[in-house]
Amino acid sequence: QVQLQESGPGLVKPSETLSLTCTVSGGSISSYYWSWIRQPPGKGLEWIGYIYYSGSTNYNPSLKSRVTISVDTSKNQFSLKLSSVTAADTAVYYCARGNWNDENYMDVWGKGTTVTVSS
Amino acid sequence: SSELTQDPAVSVALGQTVRITCQGDSLRSYYASWYQQKPGQAPVLVIYGKNNRPSGIPDRFSGSSSGNTASLTITGAQAEDEADYYCNSRDSSGNHLGVVFGGGTKLTVL
Repeated sequence: QVQLQESGPGLVKPSETLSLTCTVSGGSISSYYWSWIRQPPGKGLEWIGYIYYSGSTNYNPSLKSRVTISVDTSKNQFSLKLSSVTAADTAVYYCARGNWNDENYMDVWGKGTTVTVSS
Repeated sequence: SSELTQDPAVSVALGQTVRITCQGDSLRSYYASWYQQKPGQAPVLVIYGKNNRPSGIPDRFSGSSSGNTASLTITGAQAEDEADYYCNSRDSSGNHLGVVFGGGTKLTVL
């Protein structure tokens, strides 16, 4: 059974870069799309972007200038970098496995990690 | 950018049927998926594609679509179905094919 686990600092200073990693266990990172999604406190879900195992990416246009998603197939991991963070980037960050070829869904999610942007 | 619109809140009596809707232009071309989220937990996929349920999701959950509207129906709602529900699909606006979530619907089971 595939499981995802987010990891990274829980506190980031304003203007710095938020860096998170998602480790995939129980299965291969190949043949799927791997997404990052976030949820600010008390608000809804926001898609950040995804990467295909081959390395092609797709980002939310509202975040594109600050986002980089990368994949390391040898480690079965993918990562998120979000630059120039502000308090508005405070959220629970989730990683998820997806199928965006036809049926459009994300079927396996990590438990989420809380990131607070504060000095 | 494209939007998916959901009613902020819906209520249903225990054991009754409730429909949660999601509207958006992209739904004319792409399937929606539906996620259940309980407080403090990660979202869980409940419906995807034409009307598919992942393993472990009760058959009281079903999905449908017509025109620009996708619907999640819970037939015989249970107390444990009280949660936030989000729809999700492709964002086909502009020159970019991205992904978008609806704003979420808070379901209360009375």
